[in-house]
This record gives sequence, C-alpha cells and structure tokens, in this order.
Amino acid sequence: QKEVEQNSGPLSVPEGAIASLNCTYSDRGSQSFFWYRQYSGKSPELIMSIYSNGDKEDGRFTAQLNKASQYVSLLIRDSQPSDSATYLCAVNVAGANNLFFGTGTRLTVIP
Amino acid sequence: EPEVTQTPSHQVTQMGQEVILRCVPISNHLYFYWYRQILGQKVEFLVSFYNNEISEKSEIFDDQFSVERPDGSNFTLKIRSTKLEDSAMYFCASSAFMAGNQPQHFGDGTRLSIL
Repeated sequence: QKEVEQNSGPLSVPEGAIASLNCTYSDRGSQSFFWYRQYSGKSPELIMSIYSNGDKEDGRFTAQLNKASQYVSLLIRDSQPSDSATYLCAVNVAGANNLFFGTGTRLTVIP
Repeated sequence: EPEVTQTPSHQVTQMGQEVILRCVPISNHLYFYWYRQILGQKVEFLVSFYNNEISEKSEIFDDQFSVERPDGSNFTLKIRSTKLEDSAMYFCASSAFMAGNQPQHFGDGTRLSIL
C-alpha cells in the first residue's frame, strides 16, 4: 500500500515568516516528488518538483528531499497572505505512470 | 502559457445516467490522466493513458468507467451508470513524458454532482 502522509494542519504563520510543510512516504521505490498548491475549490497548481536528494530552490520556495528518511519538505520564505492554501505532496513510484497524493496541509498566512 | 481545459465546469446528473467529462490536454503532451477528489478528501488517481491505450488504472476505475481519445485533441472520461458516490471533482492532467519524469499539469476540473 503506497501511503503519502502529511499533517493536515491548519498551519498558521505570520506574514513574512517561514512556513515549513512536511511529507513522508512509504514506498522506497518512489523516485519523483511534487508539491502542488490548491486554493479552495480550485485545481492543483504545480509549485515544485524534486528528483534527487538535497535542496532545490525556486524563488521563495525550497524543496528538500531525503530518500533515506523517506521525507520531503517545502519551505516558503517571506510568507504572504496569498500563500494561504492547501499544499499537496505527490509522489511517483519508479515505473508507474501515476501520482499518489497526500491529504494536504492547509496553510494560513496571517497579515 | 498552455493549459489543460475541461468542460463542463459543473455537471448535474441523475443517478443511473451516463455522463461524459471532456478534456483538452496541452497540445504537445503525450500522457493523459484522470484524477478525482471527493469533497474534503485527497486527490485520487483514476487512470493514465498513452499511445491510445490505458497504461495504468486504479481500483476505483472499474467497469463503469472508460476513457477515450476520440480525435487528436480531446480526452474523455465516461461513467456509464452514475452512483451517488461518484459525486466529486474530476481533474484531467497531462504531461509531456511519463509521470515520474515530468510534472503533470492539471485542468480546472469538472464538479460532478449526482442526484
């Protein structure tokens, strides 16, 4: 059974702070990891993808992957109220043509 | 920026009726997907499609579901005899390469309401 676990939140941070979102996965064959942002009633929007261990930075976003610990995280620096959304962690297992999603973490950035 | 488009945005159907959800993937993408999200729950994979055939499907994708690429642009999901529990948001997604090698881009979704 492939599981992707996220803390459902809500996670509240003040504007300008760093938001840290975490995700663990069960299948050691997982090879590709994605963070999507989903506003209420809207579709998932790709934020970051990461494929190898370490950090990957894109603007205010940093994804971190540790395959040994089966752990992937997303840091959002200088959080803005517009970052308030549910953040979905999605995982692809090698050889599979699908994504497994976590339940998402709801982030609220307080002005 | 190219995007995945889905129609209709909202579909209301009586239980037992057939419904077809339509998607136009990004034009140079080769891999197509359907996902669903029941209200308040996680996004769940239904089916992936490549080279005019299903490449993978989940346990949810039973005999009541089918997919088709009837022409060079559309990708459809058909539910033959809808049940109350089929009420959900249905998302179409596409990618240029296999799921592990490139991110999937999602359409805005179709909200399906079964009465």
